[in-house]
Amino acid sequence: QVQLQESGPGLVKPSQTLSLTCTVSGASMKSGNSYWSWIRLPAGEGLQWLGRIYTTGATSYNPSLESRVAFSIDTSQNQFSLELKSVTAADTAVYWCARDPVGDGLDIWGPGTMVTVSS
Amino acid sequence: DIQMIQSPSSLSASVGDRVTMTCRASQTIRGYLNWYQYKPGKAPKLLISVTSSLQSGVPSRFSGSGSETDFTLTISGLQPEDFATYYCQQSYRTPYTFGQGTILDIK
Repeated sequence: QVQLQESGPGLVKPSQTLSLTCTVSGASMKSGNSYWSWIRLPAGEGLQWLGRIYTTGATSYNPSLESRVAFSIDTSQNQFSLELKSVTAADTAVYWCARDPVGDGLDIWGPGTMVTVSS
Repeated sequence: DIQMIQSPSSLSASVGDRVTMTCRASQTIRGYLNWYQYKPGKAPKLLISVTSSLQSGVPSRFSGSGSETDFTLTISGLQPEDFATYYCQQSYRTPYTFGQGTILDIK
C-alpha cells in the first residue's frame, strides 16, 4: 500500500532554511489524481496546512507562509520537498507530508518528523 | 481564509457513551468537511471525508453528518482507543483550514 516518509534535520538554527523531503513508496506519485500536502503541528497549537503540490509542479501555499515557503517535486524519485526560509522558534513543530486526493481529505500521512528551531 | 470552529474544546466521557462534537465553517463549504483523529506521537488519521464517507477500516461507530456550514461527528459506544483529539478540516477551498480540535478524554 502507499506509504509516506518524511526526512530531514531535526534541528535548524534561527534564520536558516528548514528542508524536508517526503518519499512516497508503494505507488507512483503520477498515478491517480492526487496532490501532495505538507501539514504541521506546533506545540500547544492546532494543525496548520502549509500547502500542496501537484505532479505537474503546480503549487498552492498557505498565504501566512507564502513569502517563506517553496515546494518542489521529483516524480522520478517519487519524492516531494519543502523549504521554509528564515525560520524562527515559531516554526518549531511536528511536520507531516500527506496524500491529498482532490477534495477528499488527507488520506495517507507520513509518521511525521519533529523539527526544532534553536541555536 | 475559511475559519473552522469546533465545539466543545474538550469533552469527558465514559466507555460505552455516545458523544457528539460539532464543527462550524465561516462560510459554506458544500460538504467538503473531513474529520481526523489525532494521538500524540502518531499521524492524524482520516476518519470521515466529505461529511459522511467513512474511511476503509474505520469502525462503524463513527459517523458524520451536516451540510453547508454545520457538521457533526458522532461516536456511538466509545471504546478505550477512541480517547484522542479530533480535528475537522475543510477541503472546499485552499488554504485548507482545520478547527482547533476537540479533546475527548476519559471521565
